[in-house]
Amino acid sequence: DAGITQSPRYKITETGRQVTLMCHQTWSHSYMFWYRQDLGHGLRLIYYSAAADITDKGEVPDGYVVSRSKTENFPLTLESATRSQTSVYFCASSEANGGYTFGSGTRLTVV
Amino acid sequence: RKEVEQDPGPFNVPEGATVAFNCTYSNSASQSFFWYRQDCRKEPKLLMSVYSSGNEDGRFTAQLNRASQYISLLIRDSKLSDSATYLCVVLYPGSARQLTFGSGTQLTVLP
Repeated sequence: DAGITQSPRYKITETGRQVTLMCHQTWSHSYMFWYRQDLGHGLRLIYYSAAADITDKGEVPDGYVVSRSKTENFPLTLESATRSQTSVYFCASSEANGGYTFGSGTRLTVV
Repeated sequence: RKEVEQDPGPFNVPEGATVAFNCTYSNSASQSFFWYRQDCRKEPKLLMSVYSSGNEDGRFTAQLNRASQYISLLIRDSKLSDSATYLCVVLYPGSARQLTFGSGTQLTVLP
């Protein structure tokens, strides 16, 4: 099915563990983004990518790593999870002149 | 000062009412403007783009005032299904398609 999918939908992990959140889009959109959403902060940009092999930091990149070896995939890795990274994570994609389409989100809890 | 500011609400209105949301943005060179809708921490979904001349989509009307750096969304004949959080979104120039989101205005339409 065409669209943007995130996995897993829910994840519980322990402090200090590495965890990877997956994002896959089928439109071949150039741009992809990772946001986190916390109560009282709205959506904050973690990392973005303008094309395969091109990534850059957003507003809150510390503690996160991304890669984009293929246009359709944009995984987000928490290298050593902390409780402050408990959040809802949204991936989005966009073409040059349009708005974003978001995935359904990953709800991550770090215990 | 936040780059995109919205009244967080909540706005509680009866069915059939007209309700208006306002948003201000800080960068006068902003290029594109959008309203997104978000239900109960689900993914944000594009409601409508906002054009300089103003635009309408059914019961929804969006207005842009570049001189005042102000965006508005008017909802006429409110329905229960309009209950959601409405996000004001701005694209800044040279920002590699990074959208900046307001924190959202919460609307509850009451029967």
